[in-house]
Amino acid sequence: NAGVMQNPRHLVRRRGQEARLRCSPMKGHSHVYWYRQLPEEGLKFMVYLQKENIIDESGMPKERFSAEFPKEGPSILRIQQVVRGDSAAYFCASSPLLNEKLFFGSGTQLSVL
Amino acid sequence: AQTVTQSQPEMSVQEAETVTLSCTYDTSESDYYLFWYKQPPSRQMILVIRQEAYKQQNATENRFSVNFQKAAKSFSLKISDSQLGDAAMYFCAYRSPTGTASKLTFGTGTRLQVTL
Repeated sequence: NAGVMQNPRHLVRRRGQEARLRCSPMKGHSHVYWYRQLPEEGLKFMVYLQKENIIDESGMPKERFSAEFPKEGPSILRIQQVVRGDSAAYFCASSPLLNEKLFFGSGTQLSVL
Repeated sequence: AQTVTQSQPEMSVQEAETVTLSCTYDTSESDYYLFWYKQPPSRQMILVIRQEAYKQQNATENRFSVNFQKAAKSFSLKISDSQLGDAAMYFCAYRSPTGTASKLTFGTGTRLQVTL
């Protein structure tokens, strides 16, 4: 059973471009979480999704950020018009059921030039 | 809102020795969960140990154990017989039993170096 797969591992964008980060949860997991880790800081919650539904997006910036978890395919975190402050490691985690153990991916390092 | 504080940015331990990493948290809830995660250079977040607040007994996983002091809101991690592979960032995390399931609040981390 493959773990949580995130791609790309590294993503470089210029200011104003769009960034798309992908997360394939573990097989059988229908709960997906996105976290952001700024340099020298801990992970901060962004959004929690179940299939086709956003359950909690209280950690998402109000503008430019969106997330989806379609019925088929990976979860996508989309950042429009990136700025240098968006440079961070973005982690995805999944779990099979509510309140179950989280399994993390290895993250996507986004660098904005 | 809950906060998690790790006051040791860096720690060092010699191989085979014991080291303790500190964590304090602030909450008004009586029931919650606490975790220690390891993040090696690969960036993978690995769950080391978990503690339920309603359990008085301290959790133990092989060489890893915690000292959970609920009244003091303290949750330290002890690593015994340290190994080179233990070198990593260690994050303490809090999870509320209410609200969004599995929404974790992390501390800023402690970088652990293991020397020969």
